[in-house]
Amino acid sequence: GQQLNQSPQSMFIQEGEDVSMNCTSSSIFNTWLWYKQDPGEGPVLLIALYKAGELTSNGRLTAQFGITRKDSFLNISASIPSDVGIYFCAGIPQGGSEKLVFGKGTKLTVNP
Amino acid sequence: NAGVTQTPKFRILKIGQSMTLQCTQDMNHNYMYWYRQDPGMGLKLIYYSVGAGITDKGEVPNGYNVSRSTTEDFPLRLELAAPSQTSVYFCASSYSSGMNTEAFFGQGTRLTVV
Repeated sequence: GQQLNQSPQSMFIQEGEDVSMNCTSSSIFNTWLWYKQDPGEGPVLLIALYKAGELTSNGRLTAQFGITRKDSFLNISASIPSDVGIYFCAGIPQGGSEKLVFGKGTKLTVNP
Repeated sequence: NAGVTQTPKFRILKIGQSMTLQCTQDMNHNYMYWYRQDPGMGLKLIYYSVGAGITDKGEVPNGYNVSRSTTEDFPLRLELAAPSQTSVYFCASSYSSGMNTEAFFGQGTRLTVV
């Protein structure tokens, strides 16, 4: 089936640094979503992308829907301690049942 | 709006016991999902439903059953609990297509099987 390869698996950064993570697939996706999961909580939607090439910001977060429709990236600028958590990409592949497919997550640790 | 509500939040089961994890949503979403998340891992899809009366298996359906008799409710049943089912379970819901396909998650149910 369609799979999402999310990288890196984990990141350890200093407060104030910028962060970049991405998701790739061998299949075309119609929708890309980025979620954040705080410890002990359910994932919360950060950004939704619906068109190839679309670049969307949400505060210090910016995400892009790749032109090939097979990838997406998420950037976090000027990281702060509360950015700690697991970030998941998710997408809806072209064709098929339109059910969401999730990446395995990027665990972010921010050192003050 | 309550969004997606899961109950219970925590549960300890003995091996061989059964239980039902409840999930309800008030957003009139047609798609609903059950995921499990093992410690330090990503989300694995157990079952999903594209509408009332329709369910389908995900990646890891063995040991679980679901039903979708109404749009709002999507309970997950464990018939014979096993230690391998110790995990955090998340229910989610979404619209099926168009510009509103974002999935919204419940707070999770932490299940321990001893």
